[in-house]
Order: sequence, then C-alpha cells, then structure tokens
Amino acid sequence: EVQVLDSGGGLVKPGGSLRLSCVASGFAFSRYAMSWVRQAPGKGLEWVSTFSGSGGPTYYVDSVKGRFTISRDDSKNTLYLQMNSLRAEDTAIYYCTKMAGHPYYSFYMDVWGKGTTVTVSS
Amino acid sequence: QSVLTQPPSVSGAPGQGVTISCTGSSSNFGAGSDVHWYQHRPGTAPKLLIYVNSNRPSGVPDRFSGSKSGTSASLAISGLQAEDEADYYCQTYDSSLSGYVFGPGTKVTVL
Repeated sequence: EVQVLDSGGGLVKPGGSLRLSCVASGFAFSRYAMSWVRQAPGKGLEWVSTFSGSGGPTYYVDSVKGRFTISRDDSKNTLYLQMNSLRAEDTAIYYCTKMAGHPYYSFYMDVWGKGTTVTVSS
Repeated sequence: QSVLTQPPSVSGAPGQGVTISCTGSSSNFGAGSDVHWYQHRPGTAPKLLIYVNSNRPSGVPDRFSGSKSGTSASLAISGLQAEDEADYYCQTYDSSLSGYVFGPGTKVTVL
C-alpha cells in the first residue's frame, strides 16, 4: 500500500524551531517529488514546499522562504521540513504529500499523510 | 487571498447535483496549467478527487466529474449523498508565483 506517515509536530514558542518528518512506503520514493501542504485553523489548504525527485531542485511559498528548509534522505525514504524562526501564523496542520503527474503545469498531490499539528504560541 | 476563486459554499438535496466553479487567470489556467480537485472532510487527510482536469483516481465514484475551459474550471457532483459533505479545493500551478496554489475552498452541504 502506498502511504506516507508524517510526524514531528508540537508546541513551540515564537522564534523557535521544529523539524517535521515524513516516512514513505509502498513506492519508489527517490523517483518522486514530495511536498508539504498546511492548513491553518479555520483556513484553506496552502502549498508550502516541494522537493523534486531524484535530487532535483526545491521550491517554497514566499512566506516561508529563508525560514523553512525541505530535505530528503532517499536511503531512509524520508522527507523533512526544518522550520526555523517560527511565527504564530505558521500554526497549522502540516501534511506530507507525494506528487504525481508532469512537473510544474500538471503536478498534483496523489497521496496525503494524516497530518501533524504545529502550534506556535508563547 | 488566493489567485483562484471558488464560491464559499454550495448546497443541494440528496440525489440532486451541484457544480463548483474555480476561476483562474492567464498566469495559471490560461498559461496551460491543469486543474486538480481535492475533497477534505474535517479531521481527515485531504483526498485527490480529480486530476489533470477530468480524470478520476481509482475508487472515486463517477458521480464526480471535472472540466476546464480557458481560465475556468468546474467540479460537478451528481446524485448527492450525505457522505459528500466536505470542503472541496481546486489546485494548479501559477507561473507568476512559481508555485502551486489552492483555491479558497468550497463547503458542500447536503440538505
């Protein structure tokens, strides 16, 4: 079964750091781009970051550039999101997703994790 | 504020049909980007419903259909069932933002 299991959320103070993890199984992880998507309380879905497959480039939404870093360890089938300088507006459920389709113009998220909750509060 | 526009809510009686619109622009749909749709029930993971404008993943009922024309797209749900109550999001790639975007979401209520 193709699945991704996200974890690592928690309560952190403004300005603090947190690292999310996502373990994938059931597919050739290294070949696929992976992304993080979040949903703030009472808000809609927001794409956060994508790491292309096979060691390709990374992409970020403007609001997290310079603060968040996406990385992957293909030997462990694991995706990470290092979040630094956290702000209250980063409070959200963070979902790990597997990408499918053709990059850029036809990319979509076909497998989703259950989500991990990040709360930034003093 | 999203670059995609969706109605906040739509509703229908069981067995009826509803349509959700998703309006984009020249930097996404008009530039050739495809549209994808997700169903999100509270407390669960979002689920891919339609990919590449009109394709259904295995297991998605054919009551769900999608289309795209010009700078607009739509999701149609026929034969509404209680289990269809959820939030529905369109998603695409925007070349001006150089990233992926979701619509604001539409809440479907089954009366």
